[in-house]
Amino acid sequence: ELKVEQNPLFLSMQEGKNYTIYCNYSTTSDRLYWYRQDPGKSLESLFVLLSNGAVKQEGRLMASLDTKARLSTLHITAAVHDLSATYFCAANTDKLIFGTGTRLQVFP
Amino acid sequence: GAGVSQSPSNKVTEKGKDVELRCDPISGHTALYWYRQSLGQGLEFLIYFQGNSAPDKSGLPSDRFSAERTGGSVSTLTIQRTQQEDSAVYLCASSPGASSYNEQFFGPGTRLTVL
Repeated sequence: ELKVEQNPLFLSMQEGKNYTIYCNYSTTSDRLYWYRQDPGKSLESLFVLLSNGAVKQEGRLMASLDTKARLSTLHITAAVHDLSATYFCAANTDKLIFGTGTRLQVFP
Repeated sequence: GAGVSQSPSNKVTEKGKDVELRCDPISGHTALYWYRQSLGQGLEFLIYFQGNSAPDKSGLPSDRFSAERTGGSVSTLTIQRTQQEDSAVYLCASSPGASSYNEQFFGPGTRLTVL
């Protein structure tokens, strides 16, 4: 059974700082997804990682995938307040199995 | 084009009542998924439909939950005899196919509150 663990659960960071969110999954997964969720909103797709060593970047966010370690990371560079949201990773076979989410709060 | 839509956006009901939640997937998407997001449980898979195949119901928490997908498009999630623990946001997603290589696109969700 596929399980996905994400940490930290909560992250409070100062603007301008860097940090990484980690996502571990228990069995082989075809893809790894990262989503963003703002309060009261639905899930917004950020990245889809397809293969070992995949790296994708969008603005201050960069996601990577190591299928051998069954680990994906979401790295935040020089955080800004607009990045405050909850971030979920998800792995899948035929359905998405989500991590617990990381609630990110960026303060001045 | 239009994304996944869900209705109602909010639903308040009394314990013991039945509720129906609706999902309109993206046109042409053959796969449709239901998830539940609740405090303490995170995001949970409930059920998915792929074309005319039998749905995967493995995530439904009890026999009070059921779902239909008519004509391969619109889906309705029905919860009978609602309980307070059913309070959650119910999210629908669709994808071009059920292959794990197809990205899922999420609707805005229905917030269900059971009093």
